[in-house]
Amino acid sequence: AQSVTQPDIHITVSEGASLELRCNYSYGATPYLFWYVQSPGQGLQLLLKYFSGDTLVQGIKGFEAEFKRSQSSFNLRKPSVHWSDAAEYFCAVGSGSARQLTFGSGTQLTVLP
Amino acid sequence: EAGVAQSPRYKIIEKRQSVAFWCNPISGHATLYWYQQILGQGPKLLIQFQNNGVVDDSQLPKDRFSAERLKGVDSTLKIQPAKLEDSAVYLCASSPAGGGALHFGNGTRLTVT
Repeated sequence: AQSVTQPDIHITVSEGASLELRCNYSYGATPYLFWYVQSPGQGLQLLLKYFSGDTLVQGIKGFEAEFKRSQSSFNLRKPSVHWSDAAEYFCAVGSGSARQLTFGSGTQLTVLP
Repeated sequence: EAGVAQSPRYKIIEKRQSVAFWCNPISGHATLYWYQQILGQGPKLLIQFQNNGVVDDSQLPKDRFSAERLKGVDSTLKIQPAKLEDSAVYLCASSPAGGGALHFGNGTRLTVT
């Protein structure tokens, strides 16, 4: 069965600082990987996805993620965080057809002024 | 394009009462999902439809939860009778028939007292 671990429940960074959110997955075949962001009272918005090809994936809002098969990781990064990035971030792994997603428990990001 | 529509946004009921949630997916999206998100956790899949057929309902508590998608478009999720532990956000998502990323609605926040 597939699973996702997000080791950091809560991360606090200062505005303008760099950010890295960790994600480790367990899946028997080639994974389809996603990062979603959720603001309070809102649904989940897709930041980026990895299906195949280049292991460094660019997403919206200046985010990127790198797929590392040897480490079973798909960490999310941003070089300079903005106050509006404060939200909860979810990593997810998809089944072979990317039709079912298993989510991690999320990382809450706080941005200090 | 219009996003995934869900209603109501909020619902408060007493335990043992019944409740229904409605979802209208993105036009043309064949696959529809219902997820349950308990506070502090990632979303958990309850049921997946492909057109009007059920693909996976293995995690749906069938003694109290039911869902239908009669015409292969919009869907209804029902809980009868509700328990305190059903308090959560119920998210609907859809994706195209060929797979790909899920698009989420804003969810229905259910409080059972």
